[in-house]
Amino acid sequence: GQQVMQIPQYQHVQEGEDFTTYCNSSTTLSNIQWYKQRPGGHPVFLIQLVKSGEVKKQKRLTFQFGEAKKNSSLHITATQTTDVGTYFCAGWGIQGAQKLVFGQGTRLTINP
Amino acid sequence: DSGVTQTPKHLITATGQRVTLRCSPRSGDLSVYWYQQSLDQGLQFLIQYYNGEERAKGNILERFSAQQFPDLHSELNLSSLELGDSALYFCASSVEPTLHTDTQYFGPGTRLTVL
Repeated sequence: GQQVMQIPQYQHVQEGEDFTTYCNSSTTLSNIQWYKQRPGGHPVFLIQLVKSGEVKKQKRLTFQFGEAKKNSSLHITATQTTDVGTYFCAGWGIQGAQKLVFGQGTRLTINP
Repeated sequence: DSGVTQTPKHLITATGQRVTLRCSPRSGDLSVYWYQQSLDQGLQFLIQYYNGEERAKGNILERFSAQQFPDLHSELNLSSLELGDSALYFCASSVEPTLHTDTQYFGPGTRLTVL
């Protein structure tokens, strides 16, 4: 069954609005990775978070790893049309398994 | 360009047929993963190979099989195709899947259409 839950499944915003997607695991993760898939494209690695409470920024994107290392979020400030796509989180080490498990993704659409 | 190549880009076939999808990993990557992505769906993990050996299995149907060859390229074989098998099939590769810092690099995908 699904071991990494990602919400929401879909999100539509007006250009300039903020956007957040959340990733939750029932077990502690070794790390969390985020990928972006543009429409018609393939998933591309964005970033990896390893430490408890870690926060990383990439321009308008802010990634957080929870203190308990069970959840993560991706926040985009002032969305632009180039942000359109599906954002996947992927957790490493679920239930001790040495593998990456992908969430179902959040599909972001933007009204220009 | 991720460095992962997949052929063909598009494949159209009929129900009951058999097809083979091919993937070449990035130079130096030992592990290959196969994923299925149906329309507006997430990434369904099918199977993983590491240095020629099967490492992990996901929701792969018995009609599907895969292998990784000595040169590390991989093939995914889909047989007795059904309409529901129409999807994007991605291959990804990584260096060392036992490292928790390992990341996956995806190929451009093969779009399979079963008519």
